Amino acid sequence: GNSVTQMEGPVTLSEEAFLTINCTYTATGYPSLFWYVQYPGEGLQLLLKATKADDKGSNKGFEATYRKETTSFHLEKGSVQVSDSAVYFCALSAVMDSSYKLIFGSGTRLLVRP
Amino acid sequence: DAGVIQSPRHEVTEMGQEVTLRCKPISGHNSLFWYRQTMMRGLELLIYFNNNVPIDDSGMPEDRFSAKMPNASFSTLKIQPSEPRDSAVYFCASRRSTGNTEAFFGQGTRLTVV
Repeated sequence: GNSVTQMEGPVTLSEEAFLTINCTYTATGYPSLFWYVQYPGEGLQLLLKATKADDKGSNKGFEATYRKETTSFHLEKGSVQVSDSAVYFCALSAVMDSSYKLIFGSGTRLLVRP
Repeated sequence: DAGVIQSPRHEVTEMGQEVTLRCKPISGHNSLFWYRQTMMRGLELLIYFNNNVPIDDSGMPEDRFSAKMPNASFSTLKIQPSEPRDSAVYFCASRRSTGNTEAFFGQGTRLTVV
């Protein structure tokens, strides 16, 4: 079946450090891939997306590349800020049972220290 | 657009009482999701509607939970009777069902059952 696996958290980094949060998926067909971010006390917000293989999604300094050969969509940022502290969710959308379903990973908490 | 609107933002109720959570999706979106988020189990999909019809309710915990979507602009999630273990943040999300599009989340309802 379709699923998303992302690295366990929490991930603790110092400000200006490089960030990688790993995400791998299993899916039939041609899924779209997403990263969502959830700040404390808020709902999930779309951070970036990629709809086909080799697409790179980017937003606010974050990037992720849709790698079909490794079924991965790792989130990266070159220099994190304290304000990036949040929970990050990897997700995919794919056709299942004749409808488009959205599946989320378990989330990775990022804590950035000054 | 105002985004996905959920009400109330916070609800505190006594065990055994009926609780109704409300959601107004983004205009033009014809898929709607209800999620529950807890520290222990993360983000769980409860039910998914497409064109006001429930497509997948396999995540609904038990008969105490019910969800309706009487029209394209309104949905409710009802818990009767409520129990302390139902305490969680409940999110509603909507999206266009044509293709692998992203979902947009509401701010959530924090439910506390005492």
